[in-house]
Amino acid sequence: GQNIDQPTEMTATEGAIVQINCTYQTSGFNGLFWYQQHAGEAPTFLSYNVLDGLEEKGRFSSFLSRSKGYSYLLLKELQMKDSASYLCAPMDSNYQLIWGAGTKLIIKP
Amino acid sequence: GAVVSQHPSRVICKSGTSVKIECRSLDFQATTMFWYRQFPKKSLMLMATSNEGSKATYEQGVEKDKFLINHASLTLSTLTVTSAHPEDSSFYICSARDFRREGETQYFGPGTRLLVL
Repeated sequence: GQNIDQPTEMTATEGAIVQINCTYQTSGFNGLFWYQQHAGEAPTFLSYNVLDGLEEKGRFSSFLSRSKGYSYLLLKELQMKDSASYLCAPMDSNYQLIWGAGTKLIIKP
Repeated sequence: GAVVSQHPSRVICKSGTSVKIECRSLDFQATTMFWYRQFPKKSLMLMATSNEGSKATYEQGVEKDKFLINHASLTLSTLTVTSAHPEDSSFYICSARDFRREGETQYFGPGTRLLVL
């Protein structure tokens, strides 16, 4: 079956760095997306990885290892506004995004 | 990134009435639009996928006669919840994709919160 495993909740301190891990199993693979979702709002696109390696975009970076079925999202210089859920969404062979419940990130001053 | 709008953002209706939700891609032509629903603290659940000019493809367990989807143009898709019941109360979110420009990336509308009394 198709499965995504992310921590349910993480806590970090403002200004620090946090890494949110994601392991996945899908029927086929066409890349992996990370989305940010603030409470009560729709997801917003953060990153897309289709090849192995690290993609850096400002304070956010995303890493993919296809052979390990593993990805992580790295957030640097954390700000209070980064408090949100982070959704790891791999795309299967039908180009359909597979969604988990995401990781709720709590930032403390 | 691309901009997707949804209207209304919030709607309260009586049981048995129908509600129409509009999803528009504002600065691009959406070759494909997706409709999701999300319950509190739960993952997004794909309801259906629609390509402009063709019938929507519904996910298993989603009643196509209850959730009518029309993708009339490359910038507009509508979801009509017919004969709504309290259990249909949820957060409905559309997303759109412009494969020619953005590949597989989906951009989400702000969502519509539906409450059926």
